Amino acid sequence: GAGVSQSPSNKVTEKGKDVELRCDPISGHTALYWYRQRLGQGLEFLIYFQGNSAPDKSGLPSDRFSAERTGESVSTLTIQRTQQEDSAVYLCASSPDGINQPQHFGDGTRLSIL
Amino acid sequence: GENVGLHLPTLSVQEGDNSIINCAYSNSASDYFIWYKQESGKGPQFIIDIRSNMDKRQGQRVTVLLNKTVKHLSLQIAATQPGDSAVYFCAETPAGGTSYGKLTFGQGTILTVHP
Repeated sequence: GAGVSQSPSNKVTEKGKDVELRCDPISGHTALYWYRQRLGQGLEFLIYFQGNSAPDKSGLPSDRFSAERTGESVSTLTIQRTQQEDSAVYLCASSPDGINQPQHFGDGTRLSIL
Repeated sequence: GENVGLHLPTLSVQEGDNSIINCAYSNSASDYFIWYKQESGKGPQFIIDIRSNMDKRQGQRVTVLLNKTVKHLSLQIAATQPGDSAVYFCAETPAGGTSYGKLTFGQGTILTVHP
């Protein structure tokens, strides 16, 4: 079956521009997560959506970062006024209901800020 | 804050040897643990998980051991193959509270398997 799909796979943009990253979770998965991975490092939690509950935004590094999810489907992560330190791979994951179940990851969007 | 870390950042083994990758965690409330494999340019791939009510769990060629007394997790790979070369991450999540569902990742161990 289809896994988690992310687009674009690569994004290069100039400092100060806004970017929007997209995630299509596995069908039927109610939990969706965004993580950031800097070069050679582990994953940093950004935001977590679970069903119709209010998202857990505790990992968003600044108010330039925001995310939305439509129902239990597509999610978009938006970074406004990008900075060079935003350069990283942004990974999306989904799981059936978020309760002690493995998260399944997409291959990420590699974001480069010039 | 709480964090999960790894003892060894790199591990080199010969094909056919067994590999052991270690992970220490500091959150005593951690309830669920996962090992992921990440190949270059790819997202993390689930390998095996274990809940805190277990000490050991086995999969195909992999075994995860959990020692809650010393907050230590290990991944054993039997008969390591060149295709096992990747970065391996441990991750944990607590049972509930505001952190429920969020994974905290370690920094990763690079496993290199020589033919």
